[in-house]
Amino acid sequence: GQNIDQPTEMTATEGAIVQINCTYQTSGFNGLFWYQQHAGEAPTFLSYNVLDGLEEKGRFSSFLSRSKGYSYLLLKELQMKDSASYLCATGSYNTDKLIFGTGTRLQVFP
Amino acid sequence: DGGITQSPKYLFRKEGQNVTLSCEQNLNHDAMYWYRQDPGQGLRLIYYSQIVNDFQKGDIAEGYSVSREKKESFPLTVTSAQKNPTAFYLCASNPQTGTEYTEAFFGQGTRLTVV
Repeated sequence: GQNIDQPTEMTATEGAIVQINCTYQTSGFNGLFWYQQHAGEAPTFLSYNVLDGLEEKGRFSSFLSRSKGYSYLLLKELQMKDSASYLCATGSYNTDKLIFGTGTRLQVFP
Repeated sequence: DGGITQSPKYLFRKEGQNVTLSCEQNLNHDAMYWYRQDPGQGLRLIYYSQIVNDFQKGDIAEGYSVSREKKESFPLTVTSAQKNPTAFYLCASNPQTGTEYTEAFFGQGTRLTVV
């Protein structure tokens, strides 16, 4: 099956760095996604990792360790607009499902 | 412009009525998904489809039905059997050629309220 765990809430200060962790158990693992979702809106794509290592994209980076079933999303130089929920999701080539975690609500304070 | 469109944005339903939520995509994607999101919660998978005329139940399919008669369309019907249908419903699509995943695109969502 597919099971995903993330912290429920995190807080950080504007300009700081924050790391949001995600652990997963997915049979037939076929990639891990990170999405950002502002309240009342649809999720928007941030990153996709299928191989181990770090993928950097501007202020956001995502890391994957398949052997540990672990990923993190790193947000640098935090801005107020980064206050949102961050959703971790995995794909499975066994089931073809795309399953999401419950999301981590990040609040950025001045 | 290519994209995925959900309609309506807001929908009100009386108890005991069935209601159908529309999801259309012009991205030529094979895979389509329906998710439900409750306040402060993550996305839970209702149904998904990898190909026309075929679909599978997700984790919370009870009280819902879908069809996939065309590649572009994946409507979701919320039936009267769904005991707590008030939620935010999101449709997504993904190219998913073979075993390769790529970015899943989301519609803007439909907020369903039972009155």
